Amino acid sequence: AQKVTQAQTEISVVEKEDVTLDCVYETRDTTYYLFWYKQPPSGELVFLIRRNSFDEQNEISGRYSWNFQKSTSSFNFTITASQVVDSAVYFCALSESNSGYALNFGKGTSLLVTP
Amino acid sequence: DTGVSQDPRHKITKRGQNVTFRCDPISEHNRLYWYRQTLGQGPEFLTYFQNEAQLEKSRLLSDRFSAERPKGSFSTLEIQRTEQGDSAMYLCASSNPTGEVGYTFGSGTRLTVV
Repeated sequence: AQKVTQAQTEISVVEKEDVTLDCVYETRDTTYYLFWYKQPPSGELVFLIRRNSFDEQNEISGRYSWNFQKSTSSFNFTITASQVVDSAVYFCALSESNSGYALNFGKGTSLLVTP
Repeated sequence: DTGVSQDPRHKITKRGQNVTFRCDPISEHNRLYWYRQTLGQGPEFLTYFQNEAQLEKSRLLSDRFSAERPKGSFSTLEIQRTEQGDSAMYLCASSNPTGEVGYTFGSGTRLTVV
C-alpha cells in the first residue's frame, strides 16, 4: 500500500501565483518524520524540510511554507509568489522507526512555473 | 566533507553484464541507504546499512543485487546479469540513525542497460 500519496501529478502555474502541493501519508508509528525534497531537471535531490510527528507547528521559510495536520495525515507545501526557478519535481517522504527510518517517497508532483 | 559521493555518474552496459556502483557517505553518518529511481517515479528504497551491518532489504532487491559496506564506510551495490529493467538512477543517501540530521543524497549513478 502506498504510504505517501501525492495526488497531483502535474501542476502548471504562471509566475507569481501561489501554489500548494498536497501530501497525505499513512503510518501506524507514533514517531515518524516527514520530508519534502525538490528534484530540479539536473536530477539531484534537494532537501527542503523535515518535521517530526510531535511538532505540528507550521513552518515558513521565505516563500515556502508547510502545513502539517496529524488529524488529516497531511503535510502540504505552499510556494508563495512562484518563480520559474521553482519548476521541478517535488517529493514528499515519510520515515518510520519500524522501517529503519528509510525514506518512503510519494510519486512526486511536477511543478511547471511559466513566465 | 563534501557530502555523499557516488561513482560512476553514468554507466552504460550490455544486457547480461555485471556492474558495480560505489557510494561514499558523509563520514560521521553511520546509516547508508540505497534507492532506485525510474523515470517519472519517486525513489524506491532498496536496502540500508547501519555501520557494516545490512539491516533491511526491500523485496525490490532481487538475488541479482548485492550490497556491501565492509568497513562501515563506503558501500558498493552490484547488479549481476543486468536486464533492461534495471535501467534507472541508483541513489545513495546517508544519515545518523534516526535521520534527525536529515538525509543527504548523492548525485546518483544512472545505469542504462542496452
